[in-house]
Amino acid sequence: EAGVTQFPSHSVIEKGQTVTLRCDPISGHDNLYWYRRVMGKEIKFLLHFVKESKQDESGMPNNRFLAERTGGTYSTLKVQPAELEDSGVYFCASSQATSVLSEQYFGPGTRLTVT
Amino acid sequence: DAKTTQPNSMESNEEEPVHLPCNHSTISGTDYIHWYRQLPSQGPEYVIHGLTSNVNNRMASLAIAEDRKSSTLILHRATLRDAAVYYCILRDKPNSGYALNFGKGTSLLVTP
Repeated sequence: EAGVTQFPSHSVIEKGQTVTLRCDPISGHDNLYWYRRVMGKEIKFLLHFVKESKQDESGMPNNRFLAERTGGTYSTLKVQPAELEDSGVYFCASSQATSVLSEQYFGPGTRLTVT
Repeated sequence: DAKTTQPNSMESNEEEPVHLPCNHSTISGTDYIHWYRQLPSQGPEYVIHGLTSNVNNRMASLAIAEDRKSSTLILHRATLRDAAVYYCILRDKPNSGYALNFGKGTSLLVTP
C-alpha cells in the first residue's frame, strides 16, 4: 500500500511568486491534514479536510494560503504571493476515520525556501 | 487545551531500554495520550496511544500513571534507528478538534 506522497520534495522560489504544493493521501482516507514547520518553530496544524470539505481551517496563517481538495482525493496548498516567513517544511497527513483515535499517516514533507 | 511537558533531550545506549517521560498535570478525563515520533528528514509517525491502561504494541509500551498526570513511553531495546524527536500529544475532540498539537518534543540520541 502506497503511503502519503507529496510533491515537490523541495521548492525554491522568490518572494512574491506563487507556489503550489500537492499531497496524495493514502487511498480511501477521507481525512487529509496540512501542517508546517517554519524555521526554529514547532510543527503547526494548518487545516483539515473531510473528503472535499474543510472541517477545520483554524491554523491557516492568512489569506495568502489557499487549500483545495476537489473530488476528495488529492489536495493542493497554494501560497500566493509567497513571503520570506513562509519558508519551512510543509507536511501532509491522512487518516481513515474522523476520530481522535485515528492514526495520522504523514508524508515526507515539502521543503519550501522563499528567497 | 491541556499541555504536555517533556525533557528537551535524552540520550541512550544502543540495545538499552529507554524511558521517555511526559507530564500532563492538567489532563482531562476524556484526553487520550498519543505519542508520535519524527525521524530525521521524515514526516512524523504514530507510535502508540492510550487512555488509562498501559498499552503495548510492536514499537513500544506506554505506561500511564494512575492519576493520569504523567506517562512514559518505553522503548525496550533502543536501536540507532530510534534516534528521533518524540512527541507526547493529548487529543480530545470536543476541545481541540482532530489536529495534532505538536510541542517541542524530546530529542532522543542513541549511541552505539
